[in-house]
Amino acid sequence: AQSVTQLDSQVPVFEEAPVELRCNYSSSVSVYLFWYVQYPNQGLQLLLKYLSGSTLVESINGFEAEFNKSQTSFHLRKPSVHISDTAEYFCAVNTGTASKLTFGTGTRLQVTL
Amino acid sequence: DTGVSQDPRHKITKRGQNVTFRCDPISEHNRLYWYRQTLGQGPEFLTYFQNEAQLEKSRLLSDRFSAERPKGSFSTLEIQRTEQGDSAMYLCASSFTGYRRKDEQYFGPGTRLTVT
Repeated sequence: AQSVTQLDSQVPVFEEAPVELRCNYSSSVSVYLFWYVQYPNQGLQLLLKYLSGSTLVESINGFEAEFNKSQTSFHLRKPSVHISDTAEYFCAVNTGTASKLTFGTGTRLQVTL
Repeated sequence: DTGVSQDPRHKITKRGQNVTFRCDPISEHNRLYWYRQTLGQGPEFLTYFQNEAQLEKSRLLSDRFSAERPKGSFSTLEIQRTEQGDSAMYLCASSFTGYRRKDEQYFGPGTRLTVT
């Protein structure tokens, strides 16, 4: 069975500051990793994904995440956040054989001036 | 194609009533998933279809819940004899899985169910 841990339920940060949202996973087989973002009263939007290849993946709006197999982590980072990045961020995992996504409990990123 | 759509967006019902939700996936996607999200939690898997076949159901899906995807296109999720504990956001997602292509799930806006 696979599981995802997002230790930080809330992360407050000032605008233009860097941020890291932590994600650790547990799985006995190879995994695919995803970050989704959820704005208030909306569904989830795929932010970025790791399927294979380069362990550093980037999104179009400046976020990046690095797959670290030895530490079983997939932390999300952004060097300079904007007010519009305020949202709930979910880390998710699935395996080559399982189709369902297993999500963490989410991290609320609150960006203030 | 504008993505995954769900109808209705909000549903308020009295305990004991039946409700049905609809999901229309991205047109070329062969897989369709249902998840449930309660306040402060991540989505939890309920069930998924590949084309019209229901391939997996979670233990969360009690016998009051039934899902269908009759022609391999849209899907419905019905909850019979609703309980207050059924109040949640019900999310639908779709993906395409084929040779050498790992599915990436795209989510709809969700249906928020409130049972009073």
